[in-house]
Amino acid sequence: NAGVTQTPKFRILKIGQSMTLQCTQDMNHNYMYWYRQDPGMGLKLIYYSVGAGITDKGEVPNGYNVSRSTTEDFPLRLELAAPSQTSVYFCAGSSGQRNSPLHFGNGTRLTVT
Amino acid sequence: AQSVSQHNHHVILSEAASLELGCNYSYGGTVNLFWYVQYPGQHLQLLLKYFSGDPLVKGIKGFEAEFIKSKFSFNLRKPSVQWSDTAEYFCAVNALPSGGSQGNLIFGKGTKLSVKP
Repeated sequence: NAGVTQTPKFRILKIGQSMTLQCTQDMNHNYMYWYRQDPGMGLKLIYYSVGAGITDKGEVPNGYNVSRSTTEDFPLRLELAAPSQTSVYFCAGSSGQRNSPLHFGNGTRLTVT
Repeated sequence: AQSVSQHNHHVILSEAASLELGCNYSYGGTVNLFWYVQYPGQHLQLLLKYFSGDPLVKGIKGFEAEFIKSKFSFNLRKPSVQWSDTAEYFCAVNALPSGGSQGNLIFGKGTKLSVKP
């Protein structure tokens, strides 16, 4: 029972490089989310999706893009990496019911130098 | 805009001490409330949640939280902490829009708990 799976676990990027953080889930979650976690700042929502083909911006979307071509996958794209994007990224899913909790992946630690 | 405040950034306790972590939110409508825990090097896991009914909610590992609507609070408590409770604790609020069924979770900045053996 894999749940929410993120790859890679760690990555170091140079300024200006691009990369895609992968997230896949086998829990049939309609809702999926990308958060970034910075020390002392809690979690900030980057993008979210309420179903395949539907995405929307969260609190801090600048510098990121997402797509949701299938229910299972919700990749996060960084086009021109900047040092400010150094963070730990968490993907999460939920059923979308009003009281349903989020199920988180194990995170991706990204460093941009 | 909705917000969540966790008053303590870092709490240090000895084993067997009692714990109370504060959480206040700003939203006048219907809310669902959650506490998540993040053990060192791991992802967030649900500790407990409140969405209706009894305002005193019991979660895993002996944790409980009380929803006090008049105070916009959802404080986390545990009568006797253990070294294994060392982790970061996040309060989160799902502020439900009027007539809607799903909002987005807003997280507090977290409280680090260090329990000395």
